[in-house]
Amino acid sequence: DADVTQTPRNRITKTGKRIMLECSQTKGHDRMYWYRQDPGLGLRLIYYSFDVKDINKGEISDGYSVSRQAQAKFSLSLESAIPNQTALYFCATSRDAGTGVLGGGGYTFGSGTRLTVV
Amino acid sequence: GEDVEQSLFLSVREGDSSVINCTYTDSSSTYLYWYKQEPGAGLQLLTYIFSNMDMKQDQRLTVLLNKKDKHLSLRIADTQTGDSAIYFCAEINQGGKLIFGQGTELSVKP
Repeated sequence: DADVTQTPRNRITKTGKRIMLECSQTKGHDRMYWYRQDPGLGLRLIYYSFDVKDINKGEISDGYSVSRQAQAKFSLSLESAIPNQTALYFCATSRDAGTGVLGGGGYTFGSGTRLTVV
Repeated sequence: GEDVEQSLFLSVREGDSSVINCTYTDSSSTYLYWYKQEPGAGLQLLTYIFSNMDMKQDQRLTVLLNKKDKHLSLRIADTQTGDSAIYFCAEINQGGKLIFGQGTELSVKP
């Protein structure tokens, strides 16, 4: 089983629909992140959580919300999907902010959810 | 602000060396990273360098860091078709979050 599992892998939804992307991890990490990837823009941080009671906005949080249901689960919701939210979404985990292998090197990414809003 | 910049595309012939470049703005970054994304997959850490180093070599990979110019490069020697992927440069910001560049798509032609 993958360390970080995202569901669904692919989703097509209509404009205005509510959709939830789920992420679960078996790494035992406290920190979890949601990124979106767009061609030519790299990965941009949507929301992050440093523990179960902690939720923080990233650089592009408008139109999104998150829920940290447990240490292992972090879900991303689009309350009313719009076409410019079509992207590849990645969940990631890390043990701490540290540095080197424990920091950015310690990020584990899921395989991504490809979301298309029509 | 924090910004990481990369060129979007690089095409090389199999067996040649590839050099992927990156510039960053946060001079307080202690570590800089290269991630690789193969088609249809997530990101995997390729290598990293501590900011007090100017070079790190790991088999076919060489990372060069010029702190004065805030320039990072990744050299892949003897590039193979299996090296075709998107390569992301990233830095850790003050809050401990990864900031990514746009990604460079490396295409290796036989």
